[in-house]
Parts: sequence; C-alpha cells; structure tokens
Amino acid sequence: GAVVSQHPSWVICKSGTSVKIECRSLDFQATTMFWYRQFPKQSLMLMATSNEGSKATYEQGVEKDKFLINHASLTLSTLTVTSAHPEDSSFYICSARDRTRGVINEQFFGPGTRLTVL
Amino acid sequence: RKEVEQDPGPFNVPEGATVAFNCTYSNSASQSFFWYRQDCRKEPKLLMSVYSSGNEDGRFTAQLNRASQYISLLIRDSKLSDSATYLCVVADTGGFKTIFGAGTRLFVKA
Repeated sequence: GAVVSQHPSWVICKSGTSVKIECRSLDFQATTMFWYRQFPKQSLMLMATSNEGSKATYEQGVEKDKFLINHASLTLSTLTVTSAHPEDSSFYICSARDRTRGVINEQFFGPGTRLTVL
Repeated sequence: RKEVEQDPGPFNVPEGATVAFNCTYSNSASQSFFWYRQDCRKEPKLLMSVYSSGNEDGRFTAQLNRASQYISLLIRDSKLSDSATYLCVVADTGGFKTIFGAGTRLFVKA
C-alpha cells in the first residue's frame, strides 16, 4: 500500500522546452505532496510543498515561475519545468503523505524522474 | 551550519560488522525523526522512525537524544544487502518542513 507513481521516469529534452512531471498517489488520497530535487551525490532538496486546491509553498531560492506546481486533485500533482536549461538536469522526486497509514509524518516517495536537458 | 548533518562516509565494512551512523540537527523545535535508505538511482524508502525511548527493528537500532539534538542508527551483523545510502531526516511538528541530511554511504563487502 501507499504507492506513489511518477511519469515519466526519464526524459531528455532540448534547452528552452518545458517538461511536465506527474506524481500520483495510487491507493490513497494525498492532501499534501512534496517535490524534491537531487543532484548527483547530494541529498534531496525540498523544492516546494503542494496542498490540494491551493497554491504551492516554495522553498527559498526556488523560482515559482520556473517550476510550476499544480495539485488539482487528491491523487495528482504536477511539476512543470518551464524553459528548461542544462543546469535543471537532475533527479526530481515527489512524495506524498497519507495520514491514515504509516508512521506520523512519513512520506511515501515516487520512483523519481531523471531529467536531462541538452 | 547545515540544518541536518551526517557522517560524511563512505563506510566500508565487512559482512557481519556492526556500524553506527550519527546525525545532528540544528532546530530544537523538530518533532519527527527518521532514517531513510536510498539505493543508487532509486527513491528513498523509510527504514525506521526514531523515538526518544529508542527503538529497534531486527538488526537496526535507532536512538534520539533531544538534549544533544543527536540521532543515531546502529546496524548489527551487516549484510551485503545493507549497502546503500542512509539518510537522516528531520521534520517539524506538522511535517511540512522536512530536512534531509546529505546521507552516509555504506558499502558492505564479503
């Protein structure tokens, strides 16, 4: 249980294009989803917290106009990297919380999306 | 100072060894503490929560010292399959602010 999926699992795009990543909670409703970014040999860095039906809360230093987050339903959040550049190449991971299961504040992670911008 | 700091690693240990990871956090108001395991190019997965009273799950023991703002993970009888990166994670009361440590890489060798 508590499965989170991401799509696509990897994507290669040209510089200047936009890329949308989907995060879905498959067997539970997630009122809160989180988006992280992980560069090679570094830890996960929280980009933003997404609450269903409201605007996302972005961490300091994360451009909200560049990383558009939409949490339109209790099972889906999307991250759109607009006008992607090579420095945006990274491993993007989403997570979700299910308050009805798991330990308190436990986050269930999606498998991640590896983005490469040429 | 980083909000969550871990041993830099990597740790290279033989099978059967006992290995301990340490982690310190800076926010005294933190309420939830976890150890996650991350395999190469995969997503993190919860290993165990950490409670003030200490908790054990098989070969794994986690300890929390709130006064010193210190968390530890002890792995006994290491297995090859324990090779991974171990992430110390600290969250605030509502779990909305979750900070990951940089992780400690463990290599268990035959």
